[in-house]
Amino acid sequence: EVQLLESGGGLVQPGGSLRLSCAASGFTFSSYAMNWVRQAPGKGLEWVSGLSGSGSHTYYADSVKGRFTISRDNSKNTLYLQMSSLRGEDTAVYFCARGASGSSSLDLWGQGTLVTVSS
Amino acid sequence: QSVLTQPPSVSAAPGQKVTISCSGSSSNIGNNYVSWYQQFPGTAPKLLIYDNNKRPSGIPDRFSGSKSGTSATLGITGLQTGDEADYYCGTWDSSLSSGVFGGGTKLTVL
Repeated sequence: EVQLLESGGGLVQPGGSLRLSCAASGFTFSSYAMNWVRQAPGKGLEWVSGLSGSGSHTYYADSVKGRFTISRDNSKNTLYLQMSSLRGEDTAVYFCARGASGSSSLDLWGQGTLVTVSS
Repeated sequence: QSVLTQPPSVSAAPGQKVTISCSGSSSNIGNNYVSWYQQFPGTAPKLLIYDNNKRPSGIPDRFSGSKSGTSATLGITGLQTGDEADYYCGTWDSSLSSGVFGGGTKLTVL
């Protein structure tokens, strides 16, 4: 079955760090760009970060640049988001999403993992 | 404040048609493809329209997309109560080198 499964969310104090993982299955992971998108409680979608299939090209939203690092291990079919210097405004459900081949659209989404930044 | 502008809410009666607008600029909608997503409460978004007007397999032709200049539109015909959801437009912004979404539109089928 083609799917994405996020993990690693939880409660973290302001200024702390957390690493999210997204396990992919059912497709050739290395052939697809991957992204992280977040949604704060009761708010809309916010694109966070993306990277190419090889991992050589990375992109970040200004709101997380310098604090978050996206990476992937194609041998493990896994996407990561290393988050540091976390703030209250980073509280959100974090979705990983696959970039559609030949398109900027996101055609496959995980179920999301909740990150809560609070003391 | 989202880069792309959508109306917060739209409503229409069952069986009717509704359109949702998405306004941007030359650095995003004007020079990149637009996609649309449907999201029900507590679930992940689902791709509805890609490359401005294409439907993924399994999406009924009641859903359509169009783009003109720096604006895009999602159309839904034959509205059903099951269409009640939040709808988001998205694209790439070449100036920001980042993905961008609209603020989302809540569809109510009266």
